[in-house]
Amino acid sequence: QKEVEQDPGPLSVPEGAIVSLNCTYSNSAFQYFMWYRQYSRKGPELLMYTYSSGNKEDGRFTAQVDKSSKYISLFIRDSQPSDSATYLCAMQGAQKLVFGQGTRLTINP
Amino acid sequence: EAGVVQSPRYKIIEKKQPVAFWCNPISGHNTLYWYRQNLGQGPELLIRYENEEAVDDSQLPKDRFSAERLKGVDSTLKIQPAELGDSAVYLCASSSLAGTRNEQFFGPGTRLTVL
Repeated sequence: QKEVEQDPGPLSVPEGAIVSLNCTYSNSAFQYFMWYRQYSRKGPELLMYTYSSGNKEDGRFTAQVDKSSKYISLFIRDSQPSDSATYLCAMQGAQKLVFGQGTRLTINP
Repeated sequence: EAGVVQSPRYKIIEKKQPVAFWCNPISGHNTLYWYRQNLGQGPELLIRYENEEAVDDSQLPKDRFSAERLKGVDSTLKIQPAELGDSAVYLCASSSLAGTRNEQFFGPGTRLTVL
């Protein structure tokens, strides 16, 4: 079993829809939880960063962490075609970053 | 501020040939990472440097992979000889120990194709 599980998709939604992306993890030592966005032929870029259970909002993006269930989510409101990318969840513990498989998201105009 | 620079961006070689990738981290970042990203997968750590010291190379296939970070700045990752299964994107990232967030900044990667 992988330490971090993420549905690879692909996920295709119409412009303006609310998108929900999820990851589960098995290692209780993970302390920090991140979402990276990766455009085609580019490196990942940090989108959201959280370290506690609960919600964190940044513009149209909301990151949610539930440590008791070992489950994290990323919500995108009012999705735009420019949000089309691969979204990678990542967990950090002991200075080691472990990534999920990534979910390929397409927002259709 | 310039980001992480990697070269070459693309490399096509035949199996059993050697190949090298170069990374220049963000100025002032003392931690440097090399990741491998297979198609449709997330990045997986190969090696982490703190300045010039390799502090985590447990996932580096040492029979064919080697890395160095002379003077604690630029780094080179080498594969010799390359195998078909080495086809992947090799990502370099850097971070600063300053602050608690330890955000990693990634370069665009080198896409390796082994024929």
